[in-house]
Amino acid sequence: AQSVTQLDSQVPVFEEAPVELRCNYSSSVSVYLFWYVQYPNQGLQLLLKYLSGSTLVKGINGFEAEFNKSQTSFHLRKPSVHISDTAEYFCAVSDGEAGSYQLTFGKGTKLSVIP
Amino acid sequence: NAGVTQTPKFQVLKTGQSMTLQCAQDMNHNSMYWYRQDPGMGLRLIYYSASEGTTDKGEVPNGYNVSRLNKREFSLRLESAAPSQTSVYFCASRRRENQPQHFGDGTRLSIL
Repeated sequence: AQSVTQLDSQVPVFEEAPVELRCNYSSSVSVYLFWYVQYPNQGLQLLLKYLSGSTLVKGINGFEAEFNKSQTSFHLRKPSVHISDTAEYFCAVSDGEAGSYQLTFGKGTKLSVIP
Repeated sequence: NAGVTQTPKFQVLKTGQSMTLQCAQDMNHNSMYWYRQDPGMGLRLIYYSASEGTTDKGEVPNGYNVSRLNKREFSLRLESAAPSQTSVYFCASRRRENQPQHFGDGTRLSIL
């Protein structure tokens, strides 16, 4: 079974500064990787996904993530954050094999953008 | 443009009461999921249904039952609610394995 580690439970950052949210997963032959964002009192919204191909994936709201197979990582980055980026971010992984239906989530990273 | 709809949005129960959380999706997705979210724990899978007519246990199934009523609807039942089941419950669906899951807005359940 997959496991996902989000190394930071909370990340404070000043507005317009860059941010990186870290995610590592347990090794597998092939994986599908996702980042979700959750605003207060709302459900989860997909930010971006990696299924195959280019290891640099661009998502909504200016976020991007890089898949690194050798380090089993999928870190999320944004060059300049805005107050509206304050939310909780979840990394998730699914085995890339037929019949694999489950998605394993990390415990989340709360991003706080400071004015 | 409804996506995944969960009802109710809020509920307060007394210990020992039963209730059913409803979930419906209008995206013709094959797989549906129930999660619970607790502070610092992320999302934990309770049950899922890979396709209409099938259901399987997830990480934390004890105290819950599910029914995949048809392709659109997937319900979660608490037969005898316990305070440990106080949580936010999310339903999700997806078309197939390599696609992202789409989430509802959640049901906030408190058990006294």
